[in-house]
Amino acid sequence: NAGVMQNPRHLVRRRGQEARLRCSPMKGHSHVYWYRQLPEEGLKFMVYLQKENIIDESGMPKERFSAEFPKEGPSILRIQQVVRGDSAAYFCASSPPLVYTQYFGPGTRLTVL
Amino acid sequence: QKEVEQNSGPLSVPEGAIASLNCTYSDRGSQSFFWYRQYSGKSPELIMFIYSNGDKEDGRFTAQLNKASQYVSLLIRDSQPSDSATYLCAVAAGNYGGSQGNLIFGKGTKLSVKP
Repeated sequence: NAGVMQNPRHLVRRRGQEARLRCSPMKGHSHVYWYRQLPEEGLKFMVYLQKENIIDESGMPKERFSAEFPKEGPSILRIQQVVRGDSAAYFCASSPPLVYTQYFGPGTRLTVL
Repeated sequence: QKEVEQNSGPLSVPEGAIASLNCTYSDRGSQSFFWYRQYSGKSPELIMFIYSNGDKEDGRFTAQLNKASQYVSLLIRDSQPSDSATYLCAVAAGNYGGSQGNLIFGKGTKLSVKP
């Protein structure tokens, strides 16, 4: 019974490059959430998606960040033109419909040089 | 702006003691509450959730909810060194069935259990 999967686990990018983070929810879960955790900071909500729909992106920076959850395949968080301040752990969580209980993946640790 | 507050600690308890972790939240309408454990460098792991006033027990863990005081706590009985981690309190941002399914997290309380 696989849990939430994220890849890559570690990602190094130079300033100005693009970062793509992928998340596959638990089996039977149709809701995906992305959170960011900066060093010594709490988890901050970024975006909430269901298949082919962005439900809430109120936590997402307006520029350079985008997310999708296509009908087939994993959810993707995309960061364009990365800057050093984007260095953080990015966690994906999933839940079944109509349930707030969320289960987290192992995270992607992004380092921007 | 909905907020969740936790004492950052560190909270240090001897092995075998009861660890008490506390959390307050700002939105009186909040209905769903969660405790996660996060080891250093790892992802949050769900320990318990609670929706109703009162106590909910699961093994060595007891979650307590007091909606009138906007207060949630987690008790860990017979604390073990392996319980040493950061404990995150989280509150669902929306009401059941609403579109705001995300969780609002406190910054966490670091617990250290000394052998």
